Amino acid sequence: EVHLVESGGGLVQPGGSLRLSCAASGFTFSSHWMHWVRQAPGKGLVWVSWISSTGSSSYYADSVKGRFTISRDNAKNTLYLQMNSPRAEDTAVYYCAREIATYKAFDIWGQGTMVTVSS
Amino acid sequence: QSALTQPASVSGSPGQSITISCTGTSSDVGGYNYVSWYQQHPGKAPKLMIYDVTNRPSGVSNRFSGSKSGNTASLTISGLQAEDEADYYCTSYTSSSTLDYVFGTGTKVTVL
Repeated sequence: EVHLVESGGGLVQPGGSLRLSCAASGFTFSSHWMHWVRQAPGKGLVWVSWISSTGSSSYYADSVKGRFTISRDNAKNTLYLQMNSPRAEDTAVYYCAREIATYKAFDIWGQGTMVTVSS
Repeated sequence: QSALTQPASVSGSPGQSITISCTGTSSDVGGYNYVSWYQQHPGKAPKLMIYDVTNRPSGVSNRFSGSKSGNTASLTISGLQAEDEADYYCTSYTSSSTLDYVFGTGTKVTVL
């Protein structure tokens, strides 16, 4: 069965750092572009970042550009999001999601990991 | 880049049909056929219901259908059922310089 499982969320101070992980199973991870999407408490979904299947390309929403870094280890079937200098407005549930090949839609989602930025 | 505009809430009785609109611009919804729709139950991860405007993934009921006209996409749920009560989000690829994908504001569907 196809699964994505996020981990690494928790409480982090403003200006600190946190790394989220997303473990993939049940499919050929190295064949898919992957994304991070977040959802602040009681709010809607917001796209954060994508990374190509090989990891050679990535892109970020302006709101996190320069602070967050997406990466992947295809040997470990794992996606990462390094969050540096987080702000209170980064508080959200972070979902990793698989992109359907060439269709620019997200067909598999993890259960999400909560990140709270607070002093 | 603002979020795509969706009605805050839509309701219907069991068996009825409802339609959720998703309005964007020529830089997103109107410019690409990369519109997808997601269903999200409280406390759960989103689930893909429609991609590429009209396509249903395997396993999604054919009661769900998508369409697009100009800068507005729509999701129609026919034969409304109690389990359809959830939040629904549209999303589109965008040519914006600030992000690659823009989500809608979300619509709460209530089954009366």
